Amino acid sequence: QLVLTQSPSASASLGASVKLTCTLSSGHSDYAIAWHQQQAETGPRFLVKVNSDGSHSKGDGISDRFSGSSSGAERYLTISGLHSEDEADYYCQTWGSGILVFGTGTKVTVL
Amino acid sequence: QLQLQESGPGLVKPSETLSLTCIVSGGFVSSRSYYWGWIRQPPGKGLEWIGSIYYSGSTLYNSSLKSRVTMSVDTSKNQLSLRLSSVTAADTAVYYCASQPRISFLYMDVWGKGTTVIVSS
Repeated sequence: QLVLTQSPSASASLGASVKLTCTLSSGHSDYAIAWHQQQAETGPRFLVKVNSDGSHSKGDGISDRFSGSSSGAERYLTISGLHSEDEADYYCQTWGSGILVFGTGTKVTVL
Repeated sequence: QLQLQESGPGLVKPSETLSLTCIVSGGFVSSRSYYWGWIRQPPGKGLEWIGSIYYSGSTLYNSSLKSRVTMSVDTSKNQLSLRLSSVTAADTAVYYCASQPRISFLYMDVWGKGTTVIVSS
């Protein structure tokens, strides 16, 4: 079964970096994922697509402070130089065998 | 720049059919480069994919909703439609439409702002 696992929360100080993890279920470690950001009371926004080899492609207008990487079954989103507006929910999402799946989301708090 | 805007009745009675529209601007629903997806988010919860449709009418549905979902594309109006039948309170959510580049990996690259649907008598 295709499942994405995310930690419920993460926090870091203003100006620091935070690395979010999205783990693919067993047997799906070669899948790509996409990261989406959802600020409070707004719709989601596509940030970056991350392939299994670590290559990634960002959405239009997405800051260089957002980057994606990969290791094994884990896909990462690193946010550098945290701004207050980076406080949001971050969802990973994947696709395979006719199924589109979201992770449960990670809430990022900027201290 | 591609933009999507959802609209709907806001309030739907239990057992009735929910009908939503998504107007696309800055692009065409007849584009061969995109699928068009519907995603929902219950209050305080995460995102759930409902399904996706290609301009030809080819559809991909979430198996958990497949029996109640109908999606369509109207190229003359450049809009998408979603119908969800036999709704219950569990269908209360913000509903989003999104564009999905037609590559081997399906994801959402542009999202609408969403429309809230409450199921209540």
